Amino acid sequence: RKEVEQDPGPFNVPEGATVAFNCTYSNSASQSFFWYRQDCRKEPKLLMSVYSSGNEDGRFTAQLNRASQYISLLIRDSKLSDSATYLCVVNMKGGSQGNLIFGKGTKLSVKP
Amino acid sequence: NAGVTQTPKFRVLKTGQSMTLLCAQDMNHEYMYWYRQDPGMGLRLIHYSVGEGTTAKGEVPDGYNVSRLKKQNFLLGLESAAPSQTSVYFCASSHGTSARYEQYFGPGTRLTVT
Repeated sequence: RKEVEQDPGPFNVPEGATVAFNCTYSNSASQSFFWYRQDCRKEPKLLMSVYSSGNEDGRFTAQLNRASQYISLLIRDSKLSDSATYLCVVNMKGGSQGNLIFGKGTKLSVKP
Repeated sequence: NAGVTQTPKFRVLKTGQSMTLLCAQDMNHEYMYWYRQDPGMGLRLIHYSVGEGTTAKGEVPDGYNVSRLKKQNFLLGLESAAPSQTSVYFCASSHGTSARYEQYFGPGTRLTVT
């Protein structure tokens, strides 16, 4: 099983739609989870951290399911500017140590 | 603040040539990282540093060397470039361990080895 797996997409959605991405991770001891966003031919940037109780930042909601070892990202009221690749990121070792493992990303395209 | 900068932005090398990629950050971060990103592969860690004078291997270190002589700079060297090293290279830095702190990325260096 790969360490961090994501559906590559692309997800093509109309403006205003709600879209959800899932990501699975293999290390049950992982403690830190993030979603990064990467625009075409640009560097990745942190979108949000994912906390155990779930967290929300405006139109974005992140959830963590430890039992099933997956993370989700929900985007409500999609905007054209949300078009990007979304990277699921997990720390490799247990606890707060270790380096990050990046998923290959899920591509989102929001159409007018 | 410039954040994280990388030079050069683009480079074409011939097989066997050498080069050094420079990464600089002005955020006083302790941790710095070098990644490569290939189509369909995601970001993979090459080497990283947890402080001035220290370096460590990441997931794909073969064919690369690094140095962190100054806190703000992290150099990535290719001693004898190979076509398999054609990639986009990203440098990143963070205040502390990447498990807790956001990584800030540079704009990337697009390297082609012919």
